[in-house]
Amino acid sequence: GGIITQTPKFLIGQEGQKLTLKCQQNFNHDTMYWYRQDSGKGLRLIYYSITENDLQKGDLSEGYDASREKKSSFSLTVTSAQKNEMAVFLCASRQGKNTEVFFGKGTRLTVV
Amino acid sequence: QQQVRQSPQSLTVWEGGTTVLTCSYEDSTFNYFPWYQQFPGEGPALLISILSVSDKKEDGRFTTFFNKREKKLSLHIIDSQPGDSATYFCAARATGYQNFYFGKGTSLTVIP
Repeated sequence: GGIITQTPKFLIGQEGQKLTLKCQQNFNHDTMYWYRQDSGKGLRLIYYSITENDLQKGDLSEGYDASREKKSSFSLTVTSAQKNEMAVFLCASRQGKNTEVFFGKGTRLTVV
Repeated sequence: QQQVRQSPQSLTVWEGGTTVLTCSYEDSTFNYFPWYQQFPGEGPALLISILSVSDKKEDGRFTTFFNKREKKLSLHIIDSQPGDSATYFCAARATGYQNFYFGKGTSLTVIP
């Protein structure tokens, strides 16, 4: 088995601040995702990457940057934190095109 | 536009009862439909999934039904247990695509 580790678990930032969330997976999966989870809104895709150094925008990419410098890691940067984007950010990974997606436990972002 | 609609938003059932969650979707190219279970503080975990070539899949107390003509699916939990109390998400994906579209989730509470 494998695990997806997200750091930090809780992140508090100030409005306008640039913040980075990190994700590591030891499944050796090719594809990694960042989803945002807001209460009552489900999960919405921010970015995904199908291999090292690849980046693909999701429906919610505005205001975010991502980086996949290694196969095992995928980071997400909030370019200018806003109070209305307090949410849980979930990292996930998958191998192949028709397989299960595994999720990390999330980073809860609070903007003050 | 919400690609996957899920209902109800929340549900309370008695221990031993049957829970029924439903989802509908718009995109006829969707052909893979997983259900995820999420406990507080955890990431979603795959519970059961179904392909559009099937109309039913069972795994223990959990059964998912799929109706291609009506573009609907449902999750039935028989003999519901307090440990089933969680948030449930349906999702959908088309073959060859990386993105999963998630419903907004159903918060289930099972009362002893």
